[in-house]
Amino acid sequence: EPEVTQTPSHQVTQMGQEVILRCVPISNHLYFYWYRQILGQKVEFLVSFYNNEISEKSEIFDDQFSVERPDGSNFTLKIRSTKLEDSAMYFCASSIGSGGSTGEQYFGPGTRLTVT
Amino acid sequence: AQSVTQLGSHVSVSEGALVLLRCNYSSSVPPYLFWYVQYPNQGLQLLLKYTTGATLVKGINGFEAEFKKSETSFHLTKPSAHMSDAAEYFCAVRNNAGNNRKLIWGLGTSLAVNP
Repeated sequence: EPEVTQTPSHQVTQMGQEVILRCVPISNHLYFYWYRQILGQKVEFLVSFYNNEISEKSEIFDDQFSVERPDGSNFTLKIRSTKLEDSAMYFCASSIGSGGSTGEQYFGPGTRLTVT
Repeated sequence: AQSVTQLGSHVSVSEGALVLLRCNYSSSVPPYLFWYVQYPNQGLQLLLKYTTGATLVKGINGFEAEFKKSETSFHLTKPSAHMSDAAEYFCAVRNNAGNNRKLIWGLGTSLAVNP
């Protein structure tokens, strides 16, 4: 069964460093998402991406964040200068479409980012 | 704006007992509703969803949920808990119209199943 994969599973970085979190969505999916979950808090939407551009982003997704689909398979989240409060589990998701049953989002296992 | 409230951050049941995890939502438009499960060290897996039609929806692993518009609820149930059901359960809502496709999540409920 096809699945969303994410690498690395755990990333430790120092404050101020740049990190790139990688995701490989399911191959025939067209919509891509990033969510994050700070320990003990709700899962929060960060950004959605379709047709090589951001379709929606949350207030969290400021200029420090960017997303890219550099080739036909990867979907990346870059944090330019990490802060302590960026420590969280980051989930990538993808869906075939945007509405109805095709809008079902499939999630990867997550990348735990720890900023020290 | 949409929101989700899950009553009870921790629920503990005995093996074989009824599982009831509560979810209430707020939405100004007809919602799509979801339950996801997260097993330790794993990703978020869809248990079941309500989009339109029948209000009682069945999911994987014997779980089901009923959409009650009048109560703005989407509680998750399973008649008989199994040890393997121990996990974190998340209720989520999504707008079913327009270009807004993001999921809005509850805080989650940690289910413990005791032998």
